[in-house]
Amino acid sequence: AQSVAQPEDQVNVAEGNPLTVKCTYSVSGNPYLFWYVQYPNRGLQFLLKYITGDNLVKGSYGFEAEFNKSQTSFHLKKPSALVSDSALYFCAVRDTGGGNKLTFGTGTQLKVEL
Amino acid sequence: NAGVTQTPKFQVLKTGQSMTLQCAQDMNHNSMYWYRQDPGMGLRLIYYSASEGTTDKGEVPNGYNVSRLNKREFSLRLESAAPSQTSVYFCASSYVAGGGADTQYFGPGTRLTVL
Repeated sequence: AQSVAQPEDQVNVAEGNPLTVKCTYSVSGNPYLFWYVQYPNRGLQFLLKYITGDNLVKGSYGFEAEFNKSQTSFHLKKPSALVSDSALYFCAVRDTGGGNKLTFGTGTQLKVEL
Repeated sequence: NAGVTQTPKFQVLKTGQSMTLQCAQDMNHNSMYWYRQDPGMGLRLIYYSASEGTTDKGEVPNGYNVSRLNKREFSLRLESAAPSQTSVYFCASSYVAGGGADTQYFGPGTRLTVL
């Protein structure tokens, strides 16, 4: 069975500082990995995904994520945080072995302060 | 394009009442999904439809039924609502081709309270 862990319920960072939101995964085969963002009272918005190839994936709004197969991690990063980045972030995984079901992590609340 | 739309946005039910949540997408996607979101638990898949005419159970299907009415529409029905079904419900859709890494696109959600 596939699973995702987001070890931090909340991450606080000052505006202008780099941010990292952590994600580790477990799948039986090779993974497809996704990051989504949810603003208050809204649906989830797609940020980026890893399929294969370059371990550094660039996505929307200046976000990027680094795939690390040996550590089974897919951490979300941004070089300089903005107050408007404050939101709930979800990591998700899909096993390439078959099926099209995503498994989501429990989410990490990012708070960017002035 | 409206993307994925859901109705209603809010609903309050009494225990035992029934209701249907509606979802439609205009992106010509073949797969559609229903999730529920509860605090501290992330999103959990209730049911999904890989293509028109097929539906399959997800992680938490008990107490729910679904209908894939056509390619655009996928409804979720609560036959006898229970307080444990108080949640925010999200519909999503994606285009799945040959096992590729399809991206799911989400609707704005329905906030359901069961008293």
